[in-house]
Amino acid sequence: KAGVTQTPRYLIKTRGQQVTLSCSPISGHRSVSWYQQTPGQGLQFLFEYFSETQRNKGNFPGRFSGRQFSNSRSEMNVSTLELGDSALYLCASSQPTGTTNEKLFFGSGTQLSVL
Amino acid sequence: AQKVTQAQTEISVVEKEDVTLDCVYETRDTTYYLFWYKQPPSGELVFLIRRNSFDEQNEISGRYSWNFQKSTSSFNFTITASQVVDSAVYFCALSDLVNNNDMRFGAGTRLTVKP
Repeated sequence: KAGVTQTPRYLIKTRGQQVTLSCSPISGHRSVSWYQQTPGQGLQFLFEYFSETQRNKGNFPGRFSGRQFSNSRSEMNVSTLELGDSALYLCASSQPTGTTNEKLFFGSGTQLSVL
Repeated sequence: AQKVTQAQTEISVVEKEDVTLDCVYETRDTTYYLFWYKQPPSGELVFLIRRNSFDEQNEISGRYSWNFQKSTSSFNFTITASQVVDSAVYFCALSDLVNNNDMRFGAGTRLTVKP
């Protein structure tokens, strides 16, 4: 079974640009979550999507958005990039059971550098 | 508010030594999940264990063991007879039972196992 796939692996952008990152979950997983990892702030939850709906959201500005498609693939978008958005963006999928989720399976991440 | 503290930033041991990674958490919730994840140099977070607050029984999985003590709000992780392949950053995390994709991570402990 293929794991969580994130593309691209590395990305370099300049301030003010926007960026879209992609995540393909493990087959059969319906929940996709996004995390940002930086040396200063560590791992922080961005949002979670389930059945094409945002189910939970962390404390990030509106420049960070996401969506999920009918095949459970997800994208996250960051508009008007700032230097502080440079980070490793991790996607995780899980197969929900009732109201509680199973363990998260993470991808290798997209390393975004904003110059 | 939820908070996870991993006081050990870096630990270095020699192969075959035992090592314990500390994790202390804060939460007002009476029910919650605790997790440990491993992040090797490749970047993806690898799930190690999930423990709910109802179950204080310690767990052993091969060379890995976990000690959950609600009285001290700690969830420590011990690797017995460490190996070079155990070198990674280890994260402890906390979530509530419903929104448990929204995890609060500790800052991580970088473990280096030398041959």
